[in-house]
Parts: sequence; C-alpha cells; structure tokens
Amino acid sequence: EVQLVESGGGLVQPGGSLRLSCAASGFVFSRYWMTWVRQAPGKGLEWVANIKQDGSQKYYVDSVKGRFTISRDNAKNSLYLQMNSLRAEDTAVYYCARFQLDAFDIWGQGTLVTVSS
Amino acid sequence: QSALTQPASVSGSPGQSITISCTGTSSDVGTYAYVSWYQQHPGKAPKLMIYDVTKRPSGVSNRFSGSNSGNTASLTISGLQAEDEADYYCTSYTTSSTWVFGGGTKLTVL
Repeated sequence: EVQLVESGGGLVQPGGSLRLSCAASGFVFSRYWMTWVRQAPGKGLEWVANIKQDGSQKYYVDSVKGRFTISRDNAKNSLYLQMNSLRAEDTAVYYCARFQLDAFDIWGQGTLVTVSS
Repeated sequence: QSALTQPASVSGSPGQSITISCTGTSSDVGTYAYVSWYQQHPGKAPKLMIYDVTKRPSGVSNRFSGSNSGNTASLTISGLQAEDEADYYCTSYTTSSTWVFGGGTKLTVL
C-alpha cells in the first residue's frame, strides 16, 4: 500500500525549532519530487516547499524562506522539514505529499504544529 | 504569491451540477496547464480529483470534470451526491517555480 506517515509535530514556543519527518512506503521514494503543504486551523491549504528526487533543487513559499529547510534521505525513504524561528502564524497541520501527474497525488494524514507560549 | 481566488461557498441539490471557479493570473493559471483540484472532507487529508486542468486520476468518478479559460480554471461536479459535500481547493504551478493554492470552496449539498 502506498503510504506517507508524518511525525514530529507538537507544541513549541515562538522562536523555537521543530523537525518534521515523513516516512514513505509502498513506492520507490527516490523517483519522486516531494512536497510539504500546511493548513492553519480552520483555514485553507498552503504550499510550503518541495524537493527534487536527488535533493538538488528546493523551492519555498516566501513566508518560510530562510527559516525552513526541506531535505530527504532516499536510503531511509524519508522526507524532512526543519523549522526554525517559529512564529504563531506557522501553527498548522503539516502534510507531506508525493508529486506525480503534475499534482500532489498521495498525502499523509498530517501532523499538528502549535506555536504558542 | 497571492492565493488563487475561489468562491467561499457553493451549493446544489442532489442530481444537479455545480461549478467552482479558480481565478489566477498570467503568472500561474494563465500560463501553465498544471492546475489540479483537491477534495477535503472534515478532519481528512486532501484527495486529488483533477490534474493537468482536465484529467482524472484512476478511481475518481467521471462526474468530476475540469476546464480552463484564460486565467480561470473551473471544476464541475455533475449529478451531485451527498458524499460530494466537502471543501475543494485548486492549485497551480507558477512562474516562480512554486505552487499556489486557492482559498478553498465549501460545497454544500442541500
């Protein structure tokens, strides 16, 4: 079964850091671009970042540039999002998604990040 | 990177058809045929319904169809069913090599 499972969410103080992980299974992880998408409570979806198959290209939404870093470990079938200098507005459910068919075709269940003092 | 514009809500009765619009700019929807649509039920992850403006992934009902004209893409759902009640989001690739989502549309089946 094709599956993505996120982990690493939780409560963090403003200015703090958190590292999210996404474990992939059921497909050849190294063949796909991967993406992080977030959704603030009661709000819409927001694309956050994506990364090429070999990690050589990475793109970010302006609001997280310089604070978030996307990475991957193809040997471990895992995607990561290192989040630094966290702000209240980063509070959201973070989803990882596979990119195929020029779209995000497989999604994880999400992990909640809450930034609050 | 402004969000694509979608109506906040649409509604229809069972069996009817509805259309959700998604308006962007010449920097996204107007340039690329990489518009996709997602269905999200409360508390669930989004599900891909349409990709490349008009294509349906395997397993998605043919009651769902997509189109575009200029800077506006559209999702049409025909033969509305109670299970179609959900939030719908469009997204497009942009000239900045990023992706942008619409604000989302809540579909109510009356």
